Amino acid sequence: GIQVEQSPPDLILQEGANSTLRCNFSDSVNNLQWFHQNPWGQLINLFYIPSGTKQNGRLSATTVATERYSLLYISSSQTTDSGVYFCAVPLTGANNLFFGTGTRLTVIP
Amino acid sequence: SQTIHQWPATLVQPVGSPLSLECTVEGTSNPNLYWYRQAAGRGLQLLFYSVGIGQISSEVPQNLSASRPQDRQFILSSKKLLLSDSGFYLCAWGRMREQFFGPGTRLTVL
Repeated sequence: GIQVEQSPPDLILQEGANSTLRCNFSDSVNNLQWFHQNPWGQLINLFYIPSGTKQNGRLSATTVATERYSLLYISSSQTTDSGVYFCAVPLTGANNLFFGTGTRLTVIP
Repeated sequence: SQTIHQWPATLVQPVGSPLSLECTVEGTSNPNLYWYRQAAGRGLQLLFYSVGIGQISSEVPQNLSASRPQDRQFILSSKKLLLSDSGFYLCAWGRMREQFFGPGTRLTVL
């Protein structure tokens, strides 16, 4: 089956720093989503980005489908950015998503 | 706009007791619906998905079951809970190729 690897597994940043999170996937996909799981467990949609680049405030994402990876950029990090970041790609049928293992981000003031 | 609700938010149940978790979606019709489970400190695992009323597909063999009695209602059940059923249960609905998640139910089986 498809493999989805995220790196780094853990990341600690000083507030205000920038970071790049990576998601590698083993098979061709036509969909990729980035989520932020906050400390209360809520999964928040960040990007739906099957290809190309999107930006939303301090966050942006780039997916290079032909090379099977996606990057999530966080600029000027804030303590509220802490949590776990997941990328997810579809399995066959009904748009089921397969989640990567996540990157746990801690932003310290 | 679309909203997804789950209840209860937290639940503590003894081993062997039954379970019923409910998920409802507002603001959309005929959505794909999903149940995921997240064990502590780990990623999400798809348990069930549904493309319509009464249509349930299971991804993982287990003692859990799911039902969709109405278009925007999805229920996760068990007749007898196991310790290994503890975890964070998330319901999601799908639009086109995106999925959107509810607030989750944290289940502890003692």
